[in-house]
Amino acid sequence: EPEVTQTPSHQVTQMGQEVILRCVPISNHLYFYWYRQILGQKVEFLVSFYNNEISEKSEIFDDQFSVERPDGSNFTLKIRSTKLEDSAMYFCASRGDSLGGVNEQYFGPGTRLTVT
Amino acid sequence: DAKTTQPPSMDCAEGRAANLPCNHSTISGNEYVYWYRQIHSQGPQYIIHGLKNNETNEMASLIITEDRKSSTLILPHATLRDTAVYYCIGELTDKLIFGTGTRLQVFP
Repeated sequence: EPEVTQTPSHQVTQMGQEVILRCVPISNHLYFYWYRQILGQKVEFLVSFYNNEISEKSEIFDDQFSVERPDGSNFTLKIRSTKLEDSAMYFCASRGDSLGGVNEQYFGPGTRLTVT
Repeated sequence: DAKTTQPPSMDCAEGRAANLPCNHSTISGNEYVYWYRQIHSQGPQYIIHGLKNNETNEMASLIITEDRKSSTLILPHATLRDTAVYYCIGELTDKLIFGTGTRLQVFP
């Protein structure tokens, strides 16, 4: 069964450093998403991406964040200068072009980012 | 904020049906109701969705009231592996807006 994969599973970085979180969505999917979950809190939407551009972003997704689909398979989230409060689990998700726009998203296992 | 309300927690005996309620009295007529679950700290997992009619798949059944103000997710024979946080989401937007969900504990 196809699945979304994410690397690394755990990333430790120092405050102020840049990190890139990588995702390989399901191969025939067209819509891509990043979410995050701070420990003990809700899953929060960060950004959606379609047709090589951002469709929507949340207030969390400020200038320190960027996304890219550098080739036909990878989808990355970059945090330019990490802050302590960026420590969270980051989930990538993707979905296909379903009839009626049904929002059946498939999530990866997540990358745990720890900023020290 | 999420447009749905769910009880914070529920218990269910292994092998019994787990019935998870959700109130979504403010969703509009063309908004689907989605159910996802999150096992421990894994990524959320899609379970089922519905608009007006009841739905069933290999994982669960979804019963939606006629007025669409509430729904119930049914896991017909809960197992220990069904212990998770279950989210009911009723949104028209592309993004998923997760609330706090219902923490279902299945016990032996």
